[in-house]
Amino acid sequence: AQKITQTQPGMFVQEKEAVTLDCTYDTSDPSYGLFWYKQPSSGEMIFLIYQGSYDQQNATEGRYSLNFQKARKSANLVISASQLGDSAMYFCAMHGSSNTGKLIFGQGTTLQVKP
Amino acid sequence: SAVISQKPSRDICQRGTSLTIQCQVDSQVTMMFWYRQQPGQSLTLIATANQGSEATYESGFVIDKFPISRPNLTFSTLTVSNMSPEDSSIYLCSVHRAGELFFGEGSRLTVL
Repeated sequence: AQKITQTQPGMFVQEKEAVTLDCTYDTSDPSYGLFWYKQPSSGEMIFLIYQGSYDQQNATEGRYSLNFQKARKSANLVISASQLGDSAMYFCAMHGSSNTGKLIFGQGTTLQVKP
Repeated sequence: SAVISQKPSRDICQRGTSLTIQCQVDSQVTMMFWYRQQPGQSLTLIATANQGSEATYESGFVIDKFPISRPNLTFSTLTVSNMSPEDSSIYLCSVHRAGELFFGEGSRLTVL
């Protein structure tokens, strides 16, 4: 069975600083993918970044980067130069090799950016 | 990216009634997915909507409670039947494209 664990229910960061949101996973699939989504208070799910299990380099998308450590089964999200608009819930998720549309989600981390 | 439109965006419903949520995608996709997010919780997959065949439901979800239609490759509906307050959730439609999973804006249902 697959499992995603986010151990930080809530995080605070000062505006313009960097923040790391933790995510660990467990799977027996040889091939899998890891996602990070942002969910503002409006409820929509905004795709941020994706890392495939066979990707050699860590994924980056603008201010978002994914610190993928396969041996440790961790996929932490790093947000650089935090902005007030980054305040939201952040979900880590993964899919296995059998159904790439079926995501298992972590419990989420609420990030608050302080001015 | 995919453009996904969901209707209604929110609704308040009475106990015992049913509500159908619509999901329209801007281009053809093989599979569409329906997720539920209960208040303060994470997302859980309800079912995979396949065009031309019955939906595939996840453990804990049944067709009688959450009937799904998929008449073509760009459209799907999810019905929440005989609603109770425990069905108050955000229901999200999603599609898989080019290695990414995109979500609609969600339908926030409150059952009184």
